[in-house]
Amino acid sequence: DAGVTQSPTHLIKTRGQHVTLRCSPISGHKSVSWYQQVLGQGPQFIFQYYEKEERGRGNFPDRFSARQFPNYSSELNVNALLLGDSALYLCASNSRGGIYEQFFGPGTRLTVL
Amino acid sequence: RKEVEQDPGPFNVPEGATVAFNCTYSNSASQSFFWYRQDCRKEPKLLMSVYSSGNEDGRFTAQLNRASQYISLLIRDSKLSDSATYLCVVNWQGAQKLVFGQGTRLTINP
Repeated sequence: DAGVTQSPTHLIKTRGQHVTLRCSPISGHKSVSWYQQVLGQGPQFIFQYYEKEERGRGNFPDRFSARQFPNYSSELNVNALLLGDSALYLCASNSRGGIYEQFFGPGTRLTVL
Repeated sequence: RKEVEQDPGPFNVPEGATVAFNCTYSNSASQSFFWYRQDCRKEPKLLMSVYSSGNEDGRFTAQLNRASQYISLLIRDSKLSDSATYLCVVNWQGAQKLVFGQGTRLTINP
């Protein structure tokens, strides 16, 4: 079975631009979570969606938004990009929601210039 | 106090050695705990889940002390392939999220 997939793998943007990152969960998983990982740190929680509803939100500004589609795939949108948004963006899925083990995709590496 | 705090590392140990990592967490209501490993520029991969006082999987043993809000990971007979960053992860009760520590980098030397 395929694992969590994410696209694109790498992305370069300039300050002020907008970006959309995509994630497809493991087949049968209804929960998707998004994390931001900057170099040298552990992943930081951004959002969790379960059954297409937002179930959790981390301490990120309103420039960050997400949604989950009927097929359980998800998009993370970031507006008005800042240099500090440069990071690895990880998507994780599980079958039961946020407090159980999650399985990560390979991530999207975003560079903001 | 950080929500989840790990040994800062890095750890450099010879092949075959036993190494232990420590982790403390601040949310006393947390119910589930995990150790993930992350190779350089790769995604985190689940190593172990810790739901009770601890569990063992081959060379890896995780222990949980709820009273002290402390989790540990022991790696015995370390292999070169164990070189990675180890992440302590705690569920944040009431917030539907997992909180990661900053990670501890381990290098096994031949």
